[in-house]
Amino acid sequence: EAQVTQNPRYLITVTGKKLTVTCSQNMNHEYMSWYRQDPGLGLRQIYYSMNVEVTDKGDVPEGYKVSRKEKRNFPLILESPSPNQTSLYFCASSTQQGRYGNTGELFFGEGSRLTVL
Amino acid sequence: AQSVTQLGSHVSVSEGALVLLRCNYSSSVPPYLFWYVQYPNQGLQLLLKYTSAATLVKGINGFEAEFKKSETSFHLTKPSAHMSDAAEYFCAVSDVAGKSTFGDGTTLTVKP
Repeated sequence: EAQVTQNPRYLITVTGKKLTVTCSQNMNHEYMSWYRQDPGLGLRQIYYSMNVEVTDKGDVPEGYKVSRKEKRNFPLILESPSPNQTSLYFCASSTQQGRYGNTGELFFGEGSRLTVL
Repeated sequence: AQSVTQLGSHVSVSEGALVLLRCNYSSSVPPYLFWYVQYPNQGLQLLLKYTSAATLVKGINGFEAEFKKSETSFHLTKPSAHMSDAAEYFCAVSDVAGKSTFGDGTTLTVKP
């Protein structure tokens, strides 16, 4: 089954304790991206990757790191989490790069709800 | 910079009534436009997309959207609402670098 898998789905942590949210896709997609969803703010892009070893900042990259060493994996790293990073996080992947950008359907994971105390 | 504006954070309709969810965008180049739906406690799934082919785009579950360049709009419609359409809907635009921008979302409530 084609899917994007995120782990953990739920996490409660404390300020400053490094954590990693993993994301893996089995569709051989070149494009992967991380978003955070907050009430009334929609989805905001954190980082995205057009292919292996290529990553770019989205709209809200501060406090996050990513890496893309393999095509299927795109982990999100919070080196020193703070309470304002409490949010619902989504990973997504896609293919079909058109002349003006990503034309393809984004396939989303089920989300990771993170609480930072 | 591109942006997406969804007019109305909450829309309520009666079952069987017309659904109209509004989306306006700004983009410096011909855009790729999308509508996604999110059911409670789930990720987003694609309803439909516009990628410079036909301006009237048909999607899943009876939804469709019309791209109007002169109005920079991409409104989502469905002729007859069903209870199962209750969800949050997001309009999104993709730019040349692969960056995606989403609107703030519209929550659709369907009354019996």
